[in-house]
Amino acid sequence: GENVEQHPSTLSVQEGDSAVIKCTYSDSASNYFPWYKQELGKGPQLIIDIRSNVGEKKDQRIAVTLNKTAKHFSLHITETQPEDSAVYFCAASPSGDDKIIFGKGTRLHILP
Amino acid sequence: KAGVTQTPRYLIKTRGQQVTLSCSPISGHRSVSWYQQTPGQGLQFLFEYFSETQRNKGNFPGRFSGRQFSNSRSEMNVSTLELGDSALYLCASSASGGGSGRAGELFFGEGSRLTVL
Repeated sequence: GENVEQHPSTLSVQEGDSAVIKCTYSDSASNYFPWYKQELGKGPQLIIDIRSNVGEKKDQRIAVTLNKTAKHFSLHITETQPEDSAVYFCAASPSGDDKIIFGKGTRLHILP
Repeated sequence: KAGVTQTPRYLIKTRGQQVTLSCSPISGHRSVSWYQQTPGQGLQFLFEYFSETQRNKGNFPGRFSGRQFSNSRSEMNVSTLELGDSALYLCASSASGGGSGRAGELFFGEGSRLTVL
């Protein structure tokens, strides 16, 4: 079955700097890669997603890149702000399947 | 539009007991997935239901079970509780699922935090 590895587990960046979180997946048939943000006491919420027919997608300060050959994808947050502090999860969904498998998460701290 | 509602939000049980958690999905969503969240393991997939049928199951023992009703509400049950079952159990609904092979956005509830003593 699909396995998603996520790094780093904790990341601290200065406010205004960029943050990058990286994930790898094992199932080459996976074709959907969402990213979720979880704030304290809340359930995860989708922030951006990408399908395998696209190599990059951007939404304001957030971007995701996908390298299907290497089976890895990354989340990039630019101009970080205090409200970006949260736990971020990457995930993958195999083609032909509806379940979504998550990585173990990255706790992002934005330092003032 | 109301979000995903999970009850109870907090509960404490002792080893050997059983527990039932409830999830009401967003109106119109027929797919409900359950995840276990622990600090060391992140979000682990338990199972997915669509139109009262379990379509996917994760690698959890048979003590973990679930069901879905005709109104799409779902319950999960854990029998013979162990200390390691202490976790946040998250339910998510989706407008996708049902074997479409095209997964889509999951809408999560705030979870049910289970503590096993």
